[in-house]
Amino acid sequence: ETGVTQTPRHLVMGMTNKKSLKCEQHLGHNAMYWYKQSAKKPLELMFVYSLEERVENNSVPSRFSPECPNSSHLFLHLHTLQPEDSALYLCASSHRQASGETQYFGPGTRLLVL
Amino acid sequence: DAKTTQPTSMDCAEGRAANLPCNHSTISGNEYVYWYRQIHSQGPQYIIHGLKNNETNEMASLIITEDRKSSTLILPHATLRDTAVYYCIVKAPTSGSRLTFGEGTQLTVNP
Repeated sequence: ETGVTQTPRHLVMGMTNKKSLKCEQHLGHNAMYWYKQSAKKPLELMFVYSLEERVENNSVPSRFSPECPNSSHLFLHLHTLQPEDSALYLCASSHRQASGETQYFGPGTRLLVL
Repeated sequence: DAKTTQPTSMDCAEGRAANLPCNHSTISGNEYVYWYRQIHSQGPQYIIHGLKNNETNEMASLIITEDRKSSTLILPHATLRDTAVYYCIVKAPTSGSRLTFGEGTQLTVNP
């Protein structure tokens, strides 16, 4: 257990569905992240929130919409996804400080888009 | 952030030390060396990090060469549960939040 939980762990959705992924951290961290890991590819950073403000967005399609209501919770809202969006979606958190930061990851949500 | 080079795969016998190398010849003075691992279909797990000095924790030891151009992660007594992809990442504190994961090294611990 890393102190970062994600729900659901598995999700199957059609291209016309709307669903949300949830992440919660119990570590008192002040930054949260969404990563995507497609099959046999390295992790890709999608979004970063620091102190509940989005500070980085790596040109992610608008069908992915993040939300960070407070420092402990992070959501990824999904709508009209494509089959190529099937992947493992990972949430992470960290305590941002000048001397560097260590990111702690959740177990991930395995998403399949049909 | 500096680029890293790791072998694609390594094997290790259970109970033996696993030594995973990483080259980061373009590392800058303020960049830390981080190691993470990812067991199949799970989230990455932080292992250890360091700047100049060797570091040790309950999971592993990190040996950084004096010129800081390479490092070695040592798992002193590898177990089957240490089978995973190991990522070496170089990152400066001021370079934002990005952890750039490369291909990593697939370590297989054999019985």
